[in-house]
Amino acid sequence: GQNIDQPTEMTATEGAIVQINCTYQTSGFNGLFWYQQHAGEAPTFLSYNVLDGLEEKGRFSSFLSRSKGYSYLLLKELQMKDSASYLCAVRVPNSGGYQKVTFGTGTKLQVIP
Amino acid sequence: DVKVTQSSRYLVKRTGEKVFLECVQDMDHENMFWYRQDPGLGLRLIYFSYDVKMKEKGDIPEGYSVSREKKERFSLILESASTNQTSMYLCASRAPGVGVNTEAFFGQGTRLTVV
Repeated sequence: GQNIDQPTEMTATEGAIVQINCTYQTSGFNGLFWYQQHAGEAPTFLSYNVLDGLEEKGRFSSFLSRSKGYSYLLLKELQMKDSASYLCAVRVPNSGGYQKVTFGTGTKLQVIP
Repeated sequence: DVKVTQSSRYLVKRTGEKVFLECVQDMDHENMFWYRQDPGLGLRLIYFSYDVKMKEKGDIPEGYSVSREKKERFSLILESASTNQTSMYLCASRAPGVGVNTEAFFGQGTRLTVV
């Protein structure tokens, strides 16, 4: 089976930096995604990692270590609007030759003034 | 602008009713998915489709079926709604393959309550 773990909740201060970790144990690996989901809304894509290392995109960066089954999402210069859930998702090959994406349960981030 | 549209934002249905949730995408994506999202359980895959008239079971297909008669439309059917199917349902679509630009685009979700 597939197992993806991330903390349930985190709190951080406006203007600070926060790191949200994700560990995974999956049968196969074809990439890791991070999505942001505001309360009552659909998830929206943030980042994609398939090779080891850091991908930077503005205030958001995502890191991957395939050998450790580990990723993190780094949010800099936190803003109140960053309060949301952050979903880690891993793509694995499925029986039948398809690709399947499995989601973690999400980390609810609260940004406080 | 990329768009995945679900037919209803909120639905209330009675136990035993047959329920249809509709999803339409305008990105010409081959791949479409239905998830349900419950507190503490995250997104769980119900069914997916990689082509017209093609469907594959996800992790929790019991009590559900799907229909993909046209490329842009993917319907989720609850054959006989039960209270444990009360949930947020999310439709998604994506381009095929495993490279970049294969992220999923989600609809706004349908919050279904079965009473």
